[in-house]
Amino acid sequence: IRLTQSPSSLSASVGDRVTITCQASQDITDYLNWYQQKPGQVPKLLIYTASNLEAGVPSRFSGSGYGTDFTLTISSLQPEDIATYYCQQHDILPITFGQGTRLDIK
Amino acid sequence: EVQLVQSGAETKKPGESLKISCRASGFSFTEYWIAWVRQMPGKGLEWMGIIYPGDSDTRYSPSFQGQVTVSADKSINTAYLQWSSLKASDTAMYYCARPKGGYQLAALDSWGQGTLVTVSS
Repeated sequence: IRLTQSPSSLSASVGDRVTITCQASQDITDYLNWYQQKPGQVPKLLIYTASNLEAGVPSRFSGSGYGTDFTLTISSLQPEDIATYYCQQHDILPITFGQGTRLDIK
Repeated sequence: EVQLVQSGAETKKPGESLKISCRASGFSFTEYWIAWVRQMPGKGLEWMGIIYPGDSDTRYSPSFQGQVTVSADKSINTAYLQWSSLKASDTAMYYCARPKGGYQLAALDSWGQGTLVTVSS
């Protein structure tokens, strides 16, 4: 299953609402997860099964979607949110990741 | 506390063999799958394969089948990723990670710190 993220990169200002999309090449119901990877760090799970916030993740992060189209939203961008974000499907093997979206602060 | 602790960075020559490790603690090692993920320099995440240490059931991504071997030793709560003949293109950071809830197909909620493998003549 191919996952296509858009945009590949974006710059936004502190306080902005940021949206990243992930499109699957076939129906994956809600088996879609989102990760954050800050520079030089290990990936961190943010959202699992499309819309469930992982414990300890700030509530400004949210996820939505079903089937083939999914969205990660940051409601109010903070400086510490500078990172690359990846979607990942776990509907069928092999598990696959999107190509990543690099987020910078404007 | 769930922990996955990986072995240290390695520098090898093309053609050499290598086995890196991922030691688990804080959960029942035989009841959770352990996955391996590659990240080449400046690139994205690639799922390589997964093992269930309870019975050594192993699955591979077609992209990595035959290129690496995933194994586990449940007596010491450790999973392994090995190469028999390294190539320069194997240069990457390698992560072990645990899927949620003991399922094979689930989000990866715990990650090792990564093992940097550098292959250069």
